[in-house]
Amino acid sequence: GNSVTQMEGPVTLSEEAFLTINCTYTATGYPSLFWYVQYPGEGLQLLLKATKADDKGSNKGFEATYRKETTSFHLEKGSVQVSDSAVYFCALRGDTNAGKSTFGDGTTLTVKP
Amino acid sequence: SQTIHQWPATLVQPVGSPLSLECTVEGTSNPNLYWYRQAAGRGLQLLFYSVGIGQISSEVPQNLSASRPQDRQFILSSKKLLLSDSGFYLCAWSQTGDEQYFGPGTRLTVT
Repeated sequence: GNSVTQMEGPVTLSEEAFLTINCTYTATGYPSLFWYVQYPGEGLQLLLKATKADDKGSNKGFEATYRKETTSFHLEKGSVQVSDSAVYFCALRGDTNAGKSTFGDGTTLTVKP
Repeated sequence: SQTIHQWPATLVQPVGSPLSLECTVEGTSNPNLYWYRQAAGRGLQLLFYSVGIGQISSEVPQNLSASRPQDRQFILSSKKLLLSDSGFYLCAWSQTGDEQYFGPGTRLTVT
């Protein structure tokens, strides 16, 4: 079946530091890949997505590139802010199964001023 | 635009009591609907999903059940809560092929 493995947290960075959160996946076919963000006490929000190999998703300074050869979708940001503190989830949606998504366990990011 | 509502926002219930959580979606038709549970500090566990009225698929056997009485309404229920049912319950919707959109969640504490 499908699975997503993401970097364990928590991750603590200083403001303006470079961020990488690793995500690798296992899936059959051609999945779509997503990063979601969850702020404290809230539901998840879509951060960015990529639907085919070599696509780059980007939003709010975050980027991730769909690498089929390494089955990866690592999240990066060049300069994090305190407001980026949240839990980040990598997810994939297979091309079958009623649109069900498989989520990673989440990585908690804390950015200190 | 589409919106998704969940209520209540928080709930404290004793062990053995019943449960009913409601989720409604506005601004879309025939969405796929999902119930997830998120234990403290953990990832998301898919509990149920539905592709249409009355069509429910269970992902994890447990004392919870789900129903979809209307196209945009999804209800999570239990006849008798367990301590292990405590968690953050999230409802989500999607159209086939798209990302999922999550509600604000219900924090359930079973005492």
